[in-house]
Amino acid sequence: AQKVTQAQTEISVVEKEDVTLDCVYETRDTTYYLFWYKQPPSGELVFLIRRNSFDEQNEISGRYSWNFQKSTSSFNFTITASQVVDSAVYFCALSSAAGGTSYGKLTFGQGTILTVHP
Amino acid sequence: DAGVIQSPRHEVTEMGQEVTLRCKPISGHDYLFWYRQTMMRGLELLIYFNNNVPIDDSGMPEDRFSAKMPNASFSTLKIQPSEPRDSAVYFCASRTDRNTEAFFGQGTRLTVV
Repeated sequence: AQKVTQAQTEISVVEKEDVTLDCVYETRDTTYYLFWYKQPPSGELVFLIRRNSFDEQNEISGRYSWNFQKSTSSFNFTITASQVVDSAVYFCALSSAAGGTSYGKLTFGQGTILTVHP
Repeated sequence: DAGVIQSPRHEVTEMGQEVTLRCKPISGHDYLFWYRQTMMRGLELLIYFNNNVPIDDSGMPEDRFSAKMPNASFSTLKIQPSEPRDSAVYFCASRTDRNTEAFFGQGTRLTVV
């Protein structure tokens, strides 16, 4: 079985603060993919990043960075110098890439509501 | 490509009525997912298909829910009879294979009164 836990239900910060969104996952597969999605107030789900289980390099994209640590089964997301436009619900997701009955299954965490105040 | 297309965008129905939600995935995508989003439960996976075949329907809440994918370009999620607790936003998503990101439709906001 696979599971994604985002323990932070809601986070509130003031603009320009850095904020880290936590994601912990469970899977028995050795091959899997991790994702982050953003859901702004308009409601659509926007893909942000994909990381495979063999690549533990951290990634930075502008103000966004991701820290993947296989040893702790975590894939955390940091926004540096947050802006009001970053206010959204952020979802972490896990996809099995191995064979078996769960191949291709895409499981999401509960989401973290981020509010950035001006 | 127009992306994943869901219809209707909004649906209001009375308890006990049948509701059918529709989804057209992105052409060439082999996987199709149905999710339900509520404040209490977040984004729940209901069912997913690979090459039109249902792979895992363990997330379907009860027998009132059914999903079909008669061909590669169309899927339906049916609720019969509907209940107020079914009120939620239902998302359809598709992807090319198990390693890629999924693309989501705009969702259908269902209200059962």
